[in-house]
Amino acid sequence: EDQVTQSPEALRLQEGESSSLNCSYTVSGLRGLFWYRQDPGKGPEFLFTLYSAGEEKEKERLKATLTKKESFLHITAPKPEDSATYLCAVQARVGDYGQNFVFGPGTRLSVLP
Amino acid sequence: GAGVSQSPSNKVTEKGKDVELRCDPISGHTALYWYRQSLGQGLEFLIYFQGNSAPDKSGLPSDRFSAERTGGSVSTLTIQRTQQEDSAVYLCASSLGGRDTQYFGPGTRLTVL
Repeated sequence: EDQVTQSPEALRLQEGESSSLNCSYTVSGLRGLFWYRQDPGKGPEFLFTLYSAGEEKEKERLKATLTKKESFLHITAPKPEDSATYLCAVQARVGDYGQNFVFGPGTRLSVLP
Repeated sequence: GAGVSQSPSNKVTEKGKDVELRCDPISGHTALYWYRQSLGQGLEFLIYFQGNSAPDKSGLPSDRFSAERTGGSVSTLTIQRTQQEDSAVYLCASSLGGRDTQYFGPGTRLTVL
């Protein structure tokens, strides 16, 4: 069964205090791993897609990395506006043509000024 | 361009009533997804439409749930005989193709009294 877990469940940082969020996955065949940001009362906002182990992508203070078993979202010198829930999702291959999208439960990040 | 839109933004209904939730995907996107997000939970996949292919209904929790997509664009998710456990935020997403990044709408918050 395809599974995605995220840790920690919640993280509180001081402004400028760098850290990393973890997404661990177990899938039959990975097609892609996605990171989203979700603010309260809104739909998830796309951040990154990673397709193969060793791949990295960056956007402002965020950097996503991927291995064969997990992905990390590194946040460098975070600001209060980075406070949100960060969701990880995997797109898994099912059979020859099918696919399955599985989301993790998210990490709730709070950045204090 | 315009993003994914959903209506209504909020819906309060009584147990046993039927409800219809609407999703307008990004123009030109061939894939459309419905998810459910309960309080404090991750996104739960419900149904997936890709072009003119038969939809993937594997995530629908019961036969009270159904969805259709007319003309390859607008989609309606229908919940019959609503139950209190159906209360959640229902999110719609669309993507250019079946393997591409999903872009989410703001969601419909459904409350069943």
